[in-house]
Formats: sequence, C-alpha cells, structure tokens
Amino acid sequence: QLQLQESGPGLVKPSETLSLTCTVSGGSISSSRYYWGWIRQPPGKGLEWIGTIFYSGTTSYTPSLKSRVTISVDTSKNQFSLKLSSVTAADTAVYYCARRPAYCGGGCWGSWGQGALVTVSS
Amino acid sequence: DIVMTQSPDSLAVSLGERATINCKSSQSVLYSSNNKNSLGWYQQKPGQPPKLLIYWASARESGVPDRFSGSGSGTDFTLTISSLQAEDVAVYYCQQFYSTPQTFGQGTKLEIK
Repeated sequence: QLQLQESGPGLVKPSETLSLTCTVSGGSISSSRYYWGWIRQPPGKGLEWIGTIFYSGTTSYTPSLKSRVTISVDTSKNQFSLKLSSVTAADTAVYYCARRPAYCGGGCWGSWGQGALVTVSS
Repeated sequence: DIVMTQSPDSLAVSLGERATINCKSSQSVLYSSNNKNSLGWYQQKPGQPPKLLIYWASARESGVPDRFSGSGSGTDFTLTISSLQAEDVAVYYCQQFYSTPQTFGQGTKLEIK
C-alpha cells in the first residue's frame, strides 16, 4: 500500500529556507503513471497548491511562489523534496506531499501524506 | 488565476437528509478537447489530510461511497451527499485543475443538525 511521509524541521527562522522531504513507500516514484506534488494549508485556512514534479525532473510551480520554490526528485531514494527560501510568518502551514495520476491533467490528488507543520518564527 | 467560490461557507443537515454544496469558478473549466470538466471535490476531517472524492466533476474515486455525487459543467458545480451520515462531518473543498495554478475553494464546513 502506498505511503507518503513528510519529514523536516518543524521550526524555521524568518528569511531562512524551509526544507522538507517526502519519502514514498509501497510504490515507485519513477513510475510514468504518476506526478508528485506539494500542497500547503495555513492553520485554520484553505489549501494552496505549491508545485508538482515528474520523476524525470519536470516541474510546475504556482506563480506566486515560483521565485522562492524548488522541488526536486531523488529516484534512488524514492523521495522528492521541497525548498522554500526567504520564508516569513505567512509561510507557516501544514505542508502535504501528494500523488496524482498522470491522466488527470493536474488534479486528482488521490494519495496524501499526513502533513508536516512548519512554523516560521524567530 | 481561476477563483473558486463555494457556497455556503457552512451547512448543518440532519442525519439521513441530503446535503448540497455549490462551487462556482471565475471562468469555465471545461476542456473542449475531451469534454471533461477539470473539477475535483475533497473531504477533510480534523487532523487529517484531504481525501479525494470526485474528479472530472462527476467521477467518483475508488472506494468512495455512492451517496457522494458530483454534477455541473462549465462554471457551476455541485457536490451532493444523498443521505448524510455522521462520518460525513468534515470540510469540503472544490478544486480546479483546468489551468495553472490549480486553485481550491475556501471550503464548506458540514455539520449535523
């Protein structure tokens, strides 16, 4: 059964870089049938798509964060990662990693990690 | 960006009754090439990640009870729960994936009356 698990620091200082890794088990990140992504949710608020990556390294980012975001994949470790630079308190959120099928053209996030709360504070 | 607006923001329905949540997009999310609407619905319970219920506006995800159904086309969509169960208490989100960035509605909180 597919499992996704986010890991990384739960506290990041303002202006620093947030780094999270999603470890995939029960399935291969190198499958051409799926895309992998990051979605965040500020406490008590709604969902915001951050970006998506294919196993080949092809990425797509939300324009509002594009200048600060890097998503990468490590097929040898079956992991993909998120880096968000120059963080502020507005980046405080639960960060989810997720998987969607390639046929669904962007949506259909059918598998999710449990989420990692990242707080930006000095 | 396409703005997704859900109504109502919150809803209280009696057990066994029908619950209806609406979602309106600021522009059409209908792909003319395949005649499919790039619209999904998610359920989120407290402390849990979202769960995909519906995609392509009306296709039910595997394992989702058939009391959940989606309808609509173009800019107006509806999620219907035909007979509300206690375990359906959650926040529901619509999402468009017609264009980048994909965007979500603000959420509708569903409670038991």
